Amino acid sequence: DGGITQSPKYLFRKEGQNVTLSCEQNLNHDAMYWYRQDPGQGLRLIYYSQIVNDFQKGDIAEGYSVSREKKESFPLTVTSAQKNPTAFYLCASSLWGDQPQHFGDGTRLSIL
Amino acid sequence: GQQLNQSPQSMFIQEGEDVSMNCTSSSIFNTWLWYKQDPGEGPVLLIALYKAGELTSNGRLTAQFGITRKDSFLNISASIPSDVGIYFCAGHTTAGNNRKLIWGLGTSLAVNP
Repeated sequence: DGGITQSPKYLFRKEGQNVTLSCEQNLNHDAMYWYRQDPGQGLRLIYYSQIVNDFQKGDIAEGYSVSREKKESFPLTVTSAQKNPTAFYLCASSLWGDQPQHFGDGTRLSIL
Repeated sequence: GQQLNQSPQSMFIQEGEDVSMNCTSSSIFNTWLWYKQDPGEGPVLLIALYKAGELTSNGRLTAQFGITRKDSFLNISASIPSDVGIYFCAGHTTAGNNRKLIWGLGTSLAVNP
């Protein structure tokens, strides 16, 4: 089935560690996105990528990094510089232009 | 970042009742999208609207793209317990980088069986 796969579903990080969240899509979508969602809150854009080897900062990029080496993959690294990383992270993809975004099932990151 | 004004923030209704929620903005939008999010899951697209005045249905759901292009509503008829969740509106504006979606803060719906 076509879709967006995020892994792992749950992730725990120790203080000072970097962690990487995986996002893979087989929808042949050009654009991919990472959002952060805090309890009871809406979605805030971290980074997005419109084509391979190119990405732009969203509204809350500080403390995060991404890469887009393949069309299908858009991993997000939560660095130790992100002081409040506990949140639900959502990856999405879409065709180019004003097309709807489709989401994975999310990764919940917690601090030990 | 820019956000949409989505209301109401939460609703608690009886099974079988109809529900209405809306989003407004001071900016003109090219698209309006409605998503539903279940706890611990990613949002799922319900309805996409692309033209001013467009009225689209998906089962018991109906959504409209406002004539002014600055608002949209979502109606749910004859609610059932599985309608419980958070409903988000989102859209692409004509201003700035329209590759980014602008999001509302969500309407939390609870249905009493």
